[in-house]
Formats: sequence, structure tokens, C-alpha cells
Amino acid sequence: DGGITQSPKYLFRKEGQNVTLSCEQNLNHDAMYWYRQDPGQGLRLIYYSQIVNDFQKGDIAEGYSVSREKKESFPLTVTSAQKNPTAFYLCASSIVLYQETQYFGPGTRLLVL
Amino acid sequence: AQKVTQAQTEISVVEKEDVTLDCVYETRDTTYYLFWYKQPPSGELVFLIRRNSFDEQNEISGRYSWNFQKSTSSFNFTITASQVVDSAVYFCALSERGGSQGNLIFGKGTKLSVKP
Repeated sequence: DGGITQSPKYLFRKEGQNVTLSCEQNLNHDAMYWYRQDPGQGLRLIYYSQIVNDFQKGDIAEGYSVSREKKESFPLTVTSAQKNPTAFYLCASSIVLYQETQYFGPGTRLLVL
Repeated sequence: AQKVTQAQTEISVVEKEDVTLDCVYETRDTTYYLFWYKQPPSGELVFLIRRNSFDEQNEISGRYSWNFQKSTSSFNFTITASQVVDSAVYFCALSERGGSQGNLIFGKGTKLSVKP
């Protein structure tokens, strides 16, 4: 079955620690995205990637970093610079970047210890 | 100013009632797309519909229907004969042709609770 997988489902971060959230897709999509969702809020864009080895900052990129070394993978690192990382993180992909339907993974919930 | 407004934060209905979720958007583009997604308690966003700005025909899919009115910048979603499984948060989203990020601009969502 084609789809998007995210791991882990739950992640705990200690003070000063960097953590990495995994996102993999087998839909052969060029574009991938990371969104952050806070309680009672819509989704906000962190980073997006139009193609391999290229990525751009979204609206709330500070304290996060990404890489896109393979078409299928778009991992997100939450760095220690992100002071309020507790949130639900959703990865998405689409065929191409503009105005195409985005399909979402199951999400990772990040909690701070 | 919000580009996508879902004024109803929470709605509660009894099973078999019809319910309409409102979505009002704001854009200066003439070419844009509107979307609805469903987020059940599990958290994953499930795609429901994509509509482009040139197609104002209403759409029906089973118990779901969508009413797109450019004159009022609205893209409302109606569930007929609601069921408990419809309980979820529903998001309306906008994608603008002029948007530099290719991302979706989401409303804050409407939480629908369907009671048995």
C-alpha cells in the first residue's frame, strides 16, 4: 500500500536535546512538507521541499532543521533552540509543489520531559 | 487577518441530524484551490475534497456535500444523516496560485461531535 509513514508515534525530548522525526513516503511524490499543530489550532508550515537536495523555510522554521537526501525521506530535527517544541507534527507529500492535494502521515507527538 | 475562517469552533449533534460546517476564505488570486480534511481522534489528516476556483458546481459524495460560492467566498461542507464515525475535527484549507510556498493555509478547524 502506498502512503506516508512517520516515526515514532510519541517522542520525548529532554532539555537541550536534539531529536529527529522520521517521514517516509512511497507515493513517488516530489514535494514534501512538515507542519506543526498546537491544540485548538490549524496547521502551520515548518519546512517544505520541492525536490531532492532542496528545501525552504516555512512560516515557523526557527529551531528546526531538515534534509532531503532521498526522494522518499524528509526527516525533521527539532533542535535545542526550539524553546516550545511540545506539539503534534505532521508530514505531508504531494505530486508537485503547487496546488496539488497534500496527503498526510499519521503524525508524531513530541513531549518535553 | 485570517485567510481561512472557520467560525464554528465546536458543533454537537445527535446521530442522523444534518450538519453544515462553514468555511470563509480570503484571497486576491483568481486561481486558487480549496480543500477539506478530516482529522479523527487518531490524528492523521484525511483528504476529503479539492475544488478549484473555476468550478462552482456543488459536489456530492455519499452523505457528504460541498457548496462553493465565490460571491460570498465560502466553501461549506454538509454531512447528511450524521453518524458517530463522523466525529472529528474538520479543516478547511486554501492554496493560492500566488503563494510562494505551495503550502496549504488552514483554518483553525471545527470539532464535530456526533452523539448516539
